[in-house]
Amino acid sequence: DGGITQSPKYLFRKEGQNVTLSCEQNLNHDAMYWYRQDPGQGLRLIYYSQIVNDFQKGDIAEGYSVSREKKESFPLTVTSAQKNPTAFYLCASTPQTGGSSNQPQHFGDGTRLSIL
Amino acid sequence: GENVEQHPSTLSVQEGDSAVIKCTYSDSASNYFPWYKQELGKGPQLIIDIRSNVGEKKDQRIAVTLNKTAKHFSLHITETQPEDSAVYFCAAFFPGTGNQFYFGTGTSLTVIP
Repeated sequence: DGGITQSPKYLFRKEGQNVTLSCEQNLNHDAMYWYRQDPGQGLRLIYYSQIVNDFQKGDIAEGYSVSREKKESFPLTVTSAQKNPTAFYLCASTPQTGGSSNQPQHFGDGTRLSIL
Repeated sequence: GENVEQHPSTLSVQEGDSAVIKCTYSDSASNYFPWYKQELGKGPQLIIDIRSNVGEKKDQRIAVTLNKTAKHFSLHITETQPEDSAVYFCAAFFPGTGNQFYFGTGTSLTVIP
């Protein structure tokens, strides 16, 4: 079955530590996205990538970094600069990007990050 | 900046009744509006979507209406069932800078048996 796999499901971060969240998709989608979900605030875009080796900042990119070395993979690193990392992180993908051919996003089942 | 407002934040209905969730968006250039259902500990799942060239779309017990002039769209669930209980999110696609989706803040729907 095609889909998006996020791992781990739960992650704990110590002070001053960087942690990386994995997102893999086998849907052959071009575009991939990272969202942060906090209670009562909906989904906020962290980073997105429309093509391999290219990515753009979303609305809340500070304290996060990404890479897109392969089409199927879009890992997110939560750096020590992110002072409030506790949240539910969702990865999504779409077949193609922008213009008049926008497509619905497919989501993974998320990673819940907490501070120790 | 772009914005999507969603109301109500919580909604309780009796089984068999209808539920309506409303969203408004800020950019008249928005042309695509998906609705997602999110169950506890899971990612959002697309349940229905509508594009700006139509005013209404229906899929069994679920329907979405779009009023482009007023810049609002609504989700209608009829004959609600306990398994409809979840958090529902609306979203709007904003073409142009970034070609991004913006999401509402979610509605927690509880269907009381």
